[in-house]
Amino acid sequence: DGGITQSPKYLFRKEGQNVTLSCEQNLNHDAMYWYRQDPGQGLRLIYYSQIVNDFQKGDIAEGYSVSREKKESFPLTVTSAQKNPTAFYLCASSSQRGVTDTQYFGPGTRLTVL
Amino acid sequence: QKEVEQNSGPLSVPEGAIASLNCTYSDRVSQSFFWYRQYSGKSPELIMSIYSNGDKEDGRFTAQLNKASQYVSLLIRDSQPSDSATYLCAVNNEKGSNFGNEKLTFGTGTRLTIIP
Repeated sequence: DGGITQSPKYLFRKEGQNVTLSCEQNLNHDAMYWYRQDPGQGLRLIYYSQIVNDFQKGDIAEGYSVSREKKESFPLTVTSAQKNPTAFYLCASSSQRGVTDTQYFGPGTRLTVL
Repeated sequence: QKEVEQNSGPLSVPEGAIASLNCTYSDRVSQSFFWYRQYSGKSPELIMSIYSNGDKEDGRFTAQLNKASQYVSLLIRDSQPSDSATYLCAVNNEKGSNFGNEKLTFGTGTRLTIIP
């Protein structure tokens, strides 16, 4: 099956801990994205990557880090510097086809800080 | 400030009627417009994309774009209970990108309830 997978589905973090969210895609897409969604809110872009070994900050990158060592993988680390990390995290990918480029989403990871 | 605005709802529509969802955007250079459906606790799934002024139809769904008025809408005909969800409008806000729509701005969504 082609698609985007995220793991884990649910994640609980203690104060002061770093945690890493996994995102893998087998769609051969060049671009990958991380978004955060809070209750009743739209999606906010954290980081995105258009090519392996390169990534760009989005609108709310503080307290997060990413890597893009493989085309298929774009893990997100939520660091202890992120003051309010409880949220629904969504990974997306796209094939970068100019104006018709479309982002497709994985199933998401729900992170809760205890 | 680049923004995408949607009425948060909830919007209640009787089964079989037409549901009309609206979205306005502030960036005149926007070229690509998307409607995503999000069920409670799930991730967004693409419903429609539209790039040119006018209407685009796909089954029971019609997207309408008016760039002069900076307005995009989604019509759902013959509404079904399974259409009950939050609908997110997304707009690209990067002019002249050589890659794609990597900088989408999402609205906060309209919650739609279809009443049987």
